Amino acid sequence: GENVEQHPSTLSVQEGDSAVIKCTYSDSASNYFPWYKQELGKRPQLIIDIRSNVGEKKDQRIAVTLNKTAKHFSLHITETQPEDSAVYFCAASRWDSNYQLIWGAGTKLIIKP
Amino acid sequence: EAQVTQNPRYLITVTGKKLTVTCSQNMNHEYMSWYRQDPGLGLRQIYYSMNVEVTDKGDVPEGYKVSRKEKRNFPLILESPSPNQTSLYFCASSDAGTAHYEQYFGPGTRLTVT
Repeated sequence: GENVEQHPSTLSVQEGDSAVIKCTYSDSASNYFPWYKQELGKRPQLIIDIRSNVGEKKDQRIAVTLNKTAKHFSLHITETQPEDSAVYFCAASRWDSNYQLIWGAGTKLIIKP
Repeated sequence: EAQVTQNPRYLITVTGKKLTVTCSQNMNHEYMSWYRQDPGLGLRQIYYSMNVEVTDKGDVPEGYKVSRKEKRNFPLILESPSPNQTSLYFCASSDAGTAHYEQYFGPGTRLTVT
């Protein structure tokens, strides 16, 4: 079955710098890749997602890139701000997966002032 | 307001005492799911439901039961809780009966089994 690995587990960056979180997946048939953000004590919320028919998607300061050949996708956050501090989860799913998302273990992003 | 609600938010119980965590959504979503979240392990799916009376096991179903008698409700039942079920539990729902759409999470239920 599908397996999703997420790195790093913790990432500390200076405010204003960029942050990159990477996920690799094992099932080449996976075609949907969302990213969720979970602030401390709160519920996960979708921040961006990408489907396998595109290589990159942007939404203001966040972007996701997908490399289907290498089976990895990455979350890029530019000009980081204190409110970006959170745990970020990646996930992967395939169209015939019986509706299951397979989740990465999460990355704790710390923005240093 | 569109939302997913869970009750209770916090629960401390003893080993073997049956409990139910309720989940309700008001968005008319077909797909609902239960996750548990443990440090370093991320979100692991317990059970999911694609529609009324249709449920299936996720990755960690042992020790849990669910039912989907109505579209809006998806309770999680622990018949005989054990300490290894101490965790943070999230219910989620999604439109269109597929995981390929945004999942809306409830606020979470923190369960402690002593």
